[in-house]
Amino acid sequence: ILNVEQSPQSLHVQEGDSTNFTCSFPSSNFYALHWYRWETAKSPEALFVMTLNGDEKKKGRISATLNTKEGYSYLYIKGSQPEDSATYLCARGGATNKLIFGTGTLLAVQP
Amino acid sequence: EPEVTQTPSHQVTQMGQEVILRCVPISNHLYFYWYRQILGQKVEFLVSFYNNEISEKSEIFDDQFSVERPDGSNFTLKIRSTKLEDSAMYFCAITAVGSPLHFGNGTRLTVT
Repeated sequence: ILNVEQSPQSLHVQEGDSTNFTCSFPSSNFYALHWYRWETAKSPEALFVMTLNGDEKKKGRISATLNTKEGYSYLYIKGSQPEDSATYLCARGGATNKLIFGTGTLLAVQP
Repeated sequence: EPEVTQTPSHQVTQMGQEVILRCVPISNHLYFYWYRQILGQKVEFLVSFYNNEISEKSEIFDDQFSVERPDGSNFTLKIRSTKLEDSAMYFCAITAVGSPLHFGNGTRLTVT
């Protein structure tokens, strides 16, 4: 059984704060790590798919890093805005492309 | 053009009734998923479907739930006897090898 853990479960920050979340996953037989942004009542949106140890990806104010040897990924949001409020999900992909999702980090950005 | 179309967008049903939620992928994909989000709560994995059979399911996916691809294109989630606590937004998602998931716009199920 592959367990993907995310922390914290929820996070409240003020507008303008920078923040980061953690995704931990089993490092053996690693293939890919996905990050998704999921606003309530909307479709989840793919942010990043990372495959290589040391990968670092960036999309606007959001970036992510990957450490496959120790089994973790960080998602960073620089200068949080209220529109960043969402659940951020990570998922680990295996050999058959089955994605095991974490429980998500619920981010609330207060204006 | 969206890759995944879900119907209906909103379904209201009475407790104890059966509902079928539908998902139509535009192109062929290998993996299909159902997720749900109860209002104000975290998103929950329900089931994954690969090669025309269930590959994984969560503890939520009990005997009242079932999935199938009745005609090789539609992907359905059936809830046999709905409960009040089944009220949620249900999302279908698809993926191919090496690609991120593509989610549909969801079906909001309201059980009264």
